[in-house]
Amino acid sequence: SYVLTQPPSVSVAPGQTARISCGGNDIDTEDVSWLQQRPGQAPVLVMYYAQDRPSGIPERFSGSNSGNTATLSISSVEAGDEADYYCQVWDANSDRPVFGGGTKLTVL
Amino acid sequence: QVQLVQTGAEVKKPGASVKVSCRASEYTFTAYFINWVRQAPGQGLEWVGRINTYNGDTNFAQKFQGRVSMTRDTSISTAYMELRSLHSDDTAVYFCARVGGDNSGTYGVFDIWGQGTMVTVSS
Repeated sequence: SYVLTQPPSVSVAPGQTARISCGGNDIDTEDVSWLQQRPGQAPVLVMYYAQDRPSGIPERFSGSNSGNTATLSISSVEAGDEADYYCQVWDANSDRPVFGGGTKLTVL
Repeated sequence: QVQLVQTGAEVKKPGASVKVSCRASEYTFTAYFINWVRQAPGQGLEWVGRINTYNGDTNFAQKFQGRVSMTRDTSISTAYMELRSLHSDDTAVYFCARVGGDNSGTYGVFDIWGQGTMVTVSS
């Protein structure tokens, strides 16, 4: 089955750019979504189809997808961006979703 | 606004069953799948299964086969998940989520989530 690999944690200072990676075999052929989950809350979609932002998501959030790595970038990081971030694809072979293990973003 | 609202927290004994509901509002209920995802304490997201709200077809993750059922009532835009033979490691927050189908323009995208239902299994 398809596997998505994320780093467990990423730390960044306020105002800097955070980059969270999601590795998968030929992931650039997949439609990648990114979910943000703040502590005690439900996940929120922040990016889909690798680089499309849902309405209400700040332009500071951007995405890219190339080769075996998709990346969620957050520029001008704020304290409120501190959360767990999950990448997700829909695996057409198994007809079910696959989630990455999640990355905890810490704002220093 | 578009939202999914779930039932409140449940506490069950091992071996019991739990049924969680997920009520949709402000969109055409039958135009999107409802998926169920759970999250054990301190852990990541785990897919449980999905229901095609248009025709009632279901697909489940293999580990839940035979123990889970998903239904819907289109008259009240509500989806249900029932998990049977509960054991302690079923303790988790259960989320419903809206996911686009073939004609939605957001195929496979989990774009709206319910607030979650905490299910605690304890003797």
